[in-house]
Amino acid sequence: QSALTQPASVSGSPGQSITISCTGTSSDVGGYNYVSWFQQHPGKVPKLIIYDVTKRPSGVSNRFSGSKSGNTASLTISGLQAEDEADYYCSSYTSINPWVFGGGTKLTVL
Amino acid sequence: EVQLLESGGGLVQPGGSLRLSCSASGFTFSNYAMTWVRQAPGKGLEWVSTISGGGGSTYYADSVKGRFTISRDNSKNTVFLQMSSLRVEDTAVYHCAKGPLYDYWGQGTLVTVSS
Repeated sequence: QSALTQPASVSGSPGQSITISCTGTSSDVGGYNYVSWFQQHPGKVPKLIIYDVTKRPSGVSNRFSGSKSGNTASLTISGLQAEDEADYYCSSYTSINPWVFGGGTKLTVL
Repeated sequence: EVQLLESGGGLVQPGGSLRLSCSASGFTFSNYAMTWVRQAPGKGLEWVSTISGGGGSTYYADSVKGRFTISRDNSKNTVFLQMSSLRVEDTAVYHCAKGPLYDYWGQGTLVTVSS
């Protein structure tokens, strides 16, 4: 199964908003409302920040939001902060196997 | 407090075998699917295998199908990953994660396949 497609890197200045895309197919992202996003700081364990496309776990900042259109899901981070610099991964339920991850996006806060 | 603790990693030669364990606490273990996710050094996350709460359903990535076997012992709150015919490309940190949301992850155990 192919990984979901994410940009390798994105960047933004403090206070700005950025969006990370995650493109799949009708067999995964487009077919189910089971897209999740994870944040991973260097040397740390991935942290769930968005699930079911738009939902935030308790304790996750409302600066993080998710959306989906067709086969592409998006993660938007508003009011960018230095602590947001990390790798971000999307994942989706698939019709073939339970889950597939995106290749990951490195966010740099300028 | 949910805790997941992996063990069993180490250095193994190509073609060898290892058995990973993930001990869980802080939730009703048998109610949740459990998953193994791996991350090769400097690379992204790769879903490896999932087992249903009761253990009756198992799923594998194509890259490990036929070589890895996932199982669980709900009496001991533990999930296992039996890995055989290991390849250099299986080198990674292996994390267990609580399903279906992957809202909790273990710290991981490093598997190094090298001659």
